[in-house]
Amino acid sequence: EAGVTQSPTHLIKTRGQQATLRCSPISGHTSVYWYQQALGLGLQFLLWYDEGEERNRGNFPPRFSGRQFPNYSSELNVNALELEDSALYLCASSLWDGKETQYFGPGTRLLVL
Amino acid sequence: GENVEQHPSTLSVQEGDSAVIKCTYSDSASNYFPWYKQELGKRPQLIIDIRSNVGEKKDQRIAVTLNKTAKHFSLHITETQPEDSAVYFCAAPFNTNAGKSTFGDGTTLTVKP
Repeated sequence: EAGVTQSPTHLIKTRGQQATLRCSPISGHTSVYWYQQALGLGLQFLLWYDEGEERNRGNFPPRFSGRQFPNYSSELNVNALELEDSALYLCASSLWDGKETQYFGPGTRLLVL
Repeated sequence: GENVEQHPSTLSVQEGDSAVIKCTYSDSASNYFPWYKQELGKRPQLIIDIRSNVGEKKDQRIAVTLNKTAKHFSLHITETQPEDSAVYFCAAPFNTNAGKSTFGDGTTLTVKP
């Protein structure tokens, strides 16, 4: 069974640009979560999508947005990039079985110059 | 919302010793508690989890205990080995309907040979 995949693995942008990160969940999983992990820090919850809808978001500004497609893959968009947006962005997926085990992708490392 | 506190933030043990990491949570509706291990440069991976109808669960050298009355759960690693060195995260969903996990800030475990 293929795991969660993310693309690209690395992304370099300059301040003010936009970044788009992509995630494909495990087959059969309907929920996708996005997290930001700054260097040496913990997992900060960004967004949760399930069945194509945004179910919840963390304490991040509106320039962090995303969507979930009919095939349950997801996209995270970060507009007006700031230096402090540099981080590892992790996507996780889960099967909505009430157990909520999240399986993580390898992440996209975003560097904002 | 849920608030998860994880202690200690760093833990250094000698190979063969035991390690214990503790998390406390605030939402009494939480009923599923996973632990993740993140090795340097890799994605977080589920290592063990527990549901609220169970007080303890073991898997070889790792175990998790849950005290619902006190709202805390702990990860126990016995006979630690250098390959146990990693960052460990606990998580506590608000509840299965909300579907959003709150992660602890992580514990950096170092096992010295």
